Parts: sequence; structure tokens; C-alpha cells
Amino acid sequence: DSGVTQTPKHLITATGQRVTLRCSPRSGDLSVYWYQQSLDQGLQFLIQYYNGEERAKGNILERFSAQQFPDLHSELNLSSLELGDSALYFCASSGRGLAYNEQFFGPGTRLTVL
Amino acid sequence: AQKVTQAQTEISVVEKEDVTLDCVYETRDTTYYLFWYKQPPSGELVFLIRRNSFDEQNEISGRYSWNFQKSTSSFNFTITASQVVDSAVYFCALSEANRNFNKFYFGSGTKLNVKP
Repeated sequence: DSGVTQTPKHLITATGQRVTLRCSPRSGDLSVYWYQQSLDQGLQFLIQYYNGEERAKGNILERFSAQQFPDLHSELNLSSLELGDSALYFCASSGRGLAYNEQFFGPGTRLTVL
Repeated sequence: AQKVTQAQTEISVVEKEDVTLDCVYETRDTTYYLFWYKQPPSGELVFLIRRNSFDEQNEISGRYSWNFQKSTSSFNFTITASQVVDSAVYFCALSEANRNFNKFYFGSGTKLNVKP
């Protein structure tokens, strides 16, 4: 158990809908990262937050947004969902967001868009 | 540009065989960090090891060993006497020494099948 929690574990929804994925980092970790893992794309970095502020953006679509709250949990919002958004979404956390910090991953949320 | 290449998409071995998973990286930085993660069939990503660019000593942890060679930009992972429980997808990742963020560049992963 990495100490990172994600909810829900599974999510099934329809195209055009909006969903929110939630992540709680390990106790004491200030950085949260979101990744998308689809079959044909591997692990794609989406976005990083550090202590409530956005730090880095990767291949995140405009239909997606995220935020980190004062209690350090984070939410990833996916809107106008398309079939291609079906994937495993991982959240990870690390201590200070510095390069040498390994990231600890949550169990993931499997999103299926029908 | 930063890039991690895991050329082996899938490897199958029989239990007790040794197997090496290759990882080649590209970066312009002189200071960087390399990682290996394991993703078993259950789906979670498990941290295995971190290495910084100044430490080229090989590391051994039980049946696992890692060979870091800056001259060839490689960070290979060897499992000795493989077991069925080693079956998983293994990811190599690179992180640059940027004080402001910790973006990981992941390879595409190598799926290891260990057959009894």
C-alpha cells in the first residue's frame, strides 16, 4: 500500500458526460501528479500540483482540469467525455516535488466511456 | 529532448531464468534521476529503485540488480532466477533536476511473462 488513495476505483459513464476523480496523497506529501494510462499511449503525464499551485503541465486536454485543495487532496475533472478518454487514471504524490523524489502511485481509477 | 526507450515490448521466460530489461534514456541535463517501477496485473505502480546521475554504482537488492552506464545512457534491470510473481509490466522513468517541478518521463514499458 503506497499510502495514496484514489476514488472511485471504477467509473463507467457515457460520452459527453463529466466526471471527477479524487486523490489523497500520502501523509506529508505536498506534490500531486496525474497520469493517464491507455493501452496505446502508455503512461502520459497530465499535470502536477505542489501545495495547491499548478507546477507543470503535460499532455492534458483542455476538456480536463485539476486542482489541489488546502488539505492537499486533488481532483481531476474530465468533461465532454469521448470514447478515447477511456483509460486508467493514476494519481501519484511525492515529498517536495523535487527531481530526486520518487513518486508513489495510487491504485488508479479505471474510467470507461461508453 | 528527454526520452526513455524500452525497446523490449514483451519478454517471456521460464521460471528460474535470468532476464534483463533494457532502458535507454536521452537528456541534455548533467544531473538527472532514473527510476524503475513495476506494474503487476493488479494494476498498481510500485516503486523499485531510484538512481542519480552521479552514482554509477550498480545496485543489488535480492534477486534484482540494476546496471547504470552513463556512457551508453542505459539503466538496465536484471532479475535473477525469475519467479512467476515477477510477471508484470516494468517501467523505466527519467526525472530532470528542476527545482520547480518533478516531471517524469516514462518509457513505454516491458511486459515480462514468467512461465512456470
